[in-house]
Amino acid sequence: EAQVTQNPRYLITVTGKKLTVTCSQNMNHEYMSWYRQDPGLGLRQIYYSMNVEVTDKGDVPEGYKVSRKEKRNFPLILESPSPNQTSLYFCASSSRRTEAFFGQGTRLTVV
Amino acid sequence: KNEVEQSPQNLTAQEGEFITINCSYSVGISALHWLQQHPGGGIVSLFMLSSGKKKHGRLIATINIQEKHSSLHITASHPRDSAVYICAVVWGGGSRLTFGEGTQLTVNP
Repeated sequence: EAQVTQNPRYLITVTGKKLTVTCSQNMNHEYMSWYRQDPGLGLRQIYYSMNVEVTDKGDVPEGYKVSRKEKRNFPLILESPSPNQTSLYFCASSSRRTEAFFGQGTRLTVV
Repeated sequence: KNEVEQSPQNLTAQEGEFITINCSYSVGISALHWLQQHPGGGIVSLFMLSSGKKKHGRLIATINIQEKHSSLHITASHPRDSAVYICAVVWGGGSRLTFGEGTQLTVNP
């Protein structure tokens, strides 16, 4: 079954404690992206990757890091989380000709 | 950067009604997605369009590249269609997405 898997689904953490949200896809897609969704602001792109070892900033990259060492995985790293990074996060993958497939979402709370 | 506007923001319909949601954008794009988000939060892609029209069951999506406008139509609406519908434009070589704010659709029985 074609899918994008994000983990964890829910996470509560404290300010400054490094965390990683994993994202994996099984469709051999070139493109992967991370988004955050906030009330009143909608979905915004954090980082994207066009292929292995090719990543670039989206609209709201501050405070986040990503890596794309393998085609299937695209983890999102928060080196020093702050309360303003409390949000609902989505990973997605696609290729030039396909629709985007989204992960189930990760609800992050930073206290 | 692309600006994306959706209308209406909120829409309430009676079961069986024909529904239209509109999306307009400011800059040239390579494709446009229509997405559906249910109350649980999961996002499903309904269509990806680069020209013309696509149909899937009761859903129809159209795009007019010259007018920078797309519409999502739902025929014979049903309460299970109640969700947030989001358009997203693809630009910047194919990997940048900018999203509309979404349309909250409620279909009453």
